[in-house]
Amino acid sequence: DVKVTQSSRYLVKRTGEKVFLECVQDMDHENMFWYRQDPGLGLRLIYFSYDVKMKEKGDIPEGYSVSREKKERFSLILESASTNQTSMYLCASSLRGRGANYGYTFGSGTRLTVV
Amino acid sequence: GQSLEQPSEVTAVEGAIVQINCTYQTSGFYGLSWYQQHDGGAPTFLSYNALDGLEETGRFSSFLSRSDSYGYLLLQELQMKDSASYFCAVRSHRGEAGTALIFGKGTTLSVSS
Repeated sequence: DVKVTQSSRYLVKRTGEKVFLECVQDMDHENMFWYRQDPGLGLRLIYFSYDVKMKEKGDIPEGYSVSREKKERFSLILESASTNQTSMYLCASSLRGRGANYGYTFGSGTRLTVV
Repeated sequence: GQSLEQPSEVTAVEGAIVQINCTYQTSGFYGLSWYQQHDGGAPTFLSYNALDGLEETGRFSSFLSRSDSYGYLLLQELQMKDSASYFCAVRSHRGEAGTALIFGKGTTLSVSS
């Protein structure tokens, strides 16, 4: 069964910590994405990558960075965690180009709480 | 910029038909998609419309009118398990060469017996 795996389901971190969220996909997809989901706000795009070592800013990149050293792995980094980054973080992957129209595959999410 | 509007909540009873509307504004259009998300679960892909008209997949259908920047998801013969959030999404250019899905805020469907 093809899938997107996020390393942690729940995470609690302290304000100011550097936080790494890991995502791995086994579908050989070119595109990978990080979204955050908050009640009433839907899914908002943080960063995405369409190739190894490539990255593009989404709609809310401030306070985040990403790393894609291998095709199957896409990491989201919170440089200095703040309480307003408490959220559900969803990783997704897709084929490139028109292939993306056939759907994104999402991971189960990481619920991050910053205290 | 890009924006998508959909109702925040819809309620219905088992066996009924419900329609979830979505209007969008986007520069460049690559089609309208729909995703379903159960409480605590991951969003899952339901359908994609690139051209005008109705696409049917079992109990679910999706419609698109590009001239009206409008689409809807139609759920027939509702079942309790259809209680979930439904998101419409459009693919949009971001950055130099990439595209990404931009999602609406979601419609929570509650199905009662």
